[in-house]
Amino acid sequence: EDKVVQSPLSLVVHEGDTVTLNCSYEVTNFRSLLWYKQEKKAPTFLFMLTSSGIEKKSGRLSSILDKKELSSILNITATQTGDSAIYLCAVCKLLAQKLVFGQGTRLTINP
Amino acid sequence: DAEITQSPRHKITETGRQVTLACHQTWNHNNMFWYRQDLGHGLRLIHYSYGVQDTNKGEVSDGYSVSRSNTEDLPLTLESAASSQTSVYFCASSGLAYNEQFFGPGTRLTVL
Repeated sequence: EDKVVQSPLSLVVHEGDTVTLNCSYEVTNFRSLLWYKQEKKAPTFLFMLTSSGIEKKSGRLSSILDKKELSSILNITATQTGDSAIYLCAVCKLLAQKLVFGQGTRLTINP
Repeated sequence: DAEITQSPRHKITETGRQVTLACHQTWNHNNMFWYRQDLGHGLRLIHYSYGVQDTNKGEVSDGYSVSRSNTEDLPLTLESAASSQTSVYFCASSGLAYNEQFFGPGTRLTVL
């Protein structure tokens, strides 16, 4: 059975801290891994990773995939209160367009 | 601008009633998906469609059905609503060549 596990499930930090969110997967026929941010509404797309070791970056957010370890991390530097959200990791399989999601990490940034 | 919409945004119904949640996208995407989101479970796939007249069951399909008569719409029907179906429901769509899915704003359904 395909499985995506995120850790931690919940994290509270102070503004300005750096955080690392983890995602591990056990999926047959892996194609890509995606990160989404969800505030009080629909998830919005952050990154899609297909190749191991290549960092994707957008402002203070970055992510990297390790296919050997079957995992990915999402880093957020110099956190701001606007980064407070649930961060979702999902895996897409070959020959299928559907995603398998992890439980999400609830990140809270305190001022 | 292309978008994906859901209606209603909030719905309260009674156990045993039939409920239909609408999803409409103007991206002209072939792929459409229905998820439910519950605390501690992330997003779980209910049903999905790769094109007109195509529907497939996801991991939590019991008690739900969908039909795809055109590219733009994938309505989700709860045949006989149960309290366990109280949840937030998200519709999503994606194009043929891309994995990224675009999500609708969600429908909060309460079954009393």
